[in-house]
Amino acid sequence: ETGVTQTPRHLVMGMTNKKSLKCEQHLGHNAMYWYKQSAKKPLELMFVYSLEERVENNSVPSRFSPECPNSSHLFLHLHTLQPEDSALYLCASSSSWGGSYGYTFGSGTRLTVV
Amino acid sequence: GESVGLHLPTLSVQEGDNSIINCAYSNSASDYFIWYKQESGKGPQFIIDIRSNMDKRQGQRVTVLLNKTVKHLSLQIAATQPGDSAVYFCAENFGISSSGGTSYGKLTFGQGTILTVHP
Repeated sequence: ETGVTQTPRHLVMGMTNKKSLKCEQHLGHNAMYWYKQSAKKPLELMFVYSLEERVENNSVPSRFSPECPNSSHLFLHLHTLQPEDSALYLCASSSSWGGSYGYTFGSGTRLTVV
Repeated sequence: GESVGLHLPTLSVQEGDNSIINCAYSNSASDYFIWYKQESGKGPQFIIDIRSNMDKRQGQRVTVLLNKTVKHLSLQIAATQPGDSAVYFCAENFGISSSGGTSYGKLTFGQGTILTVHP
């Protein structure tokens, strides 16, 4: 366990479904991130929350909707996804300056859109 | 745009050999450079980092070298073991202060190198 927990580990959903990914950290970090990892591509930053305020949205389609109700929890709400959205979605958290010793990843949710 | 990239996508070595994984970066304003290891079914795991004002840092069996002149980063693994088999990513961290007074780190990753260690 890294201290960042993601659920579910695997998710298969149809294009008309609505689902949510959950991330939880109890490391006392104040920034949380969503990354997308597709095959043969570098990890792509999707969203950043710092002290529960969304500070980055890297041109992510509106079918992905993040939510950060408090500094320990982060959600990614999914609706009307496309097959090309199938990927590993990684959550991470970090301390104030993102010093690498504070930047911790979860194990990810493997999403398959059918 | 700014990017971090890898020269070799795969590397195969024999157990006990030394491994060297290379990475090129383009954002000279990054404050940290980090190497991550990712095993199947897991998220990236921190290996070692180096500040932008350093050129070498050593850990247990690993050494990271930073050459700012040519914007090159490398990871050296000594006496490579089968358990070292994984995908290795370099990443650059850029610290950002938001307008609201908060701060966070923004990581940009390279493509990754698959390291396979044969017994």
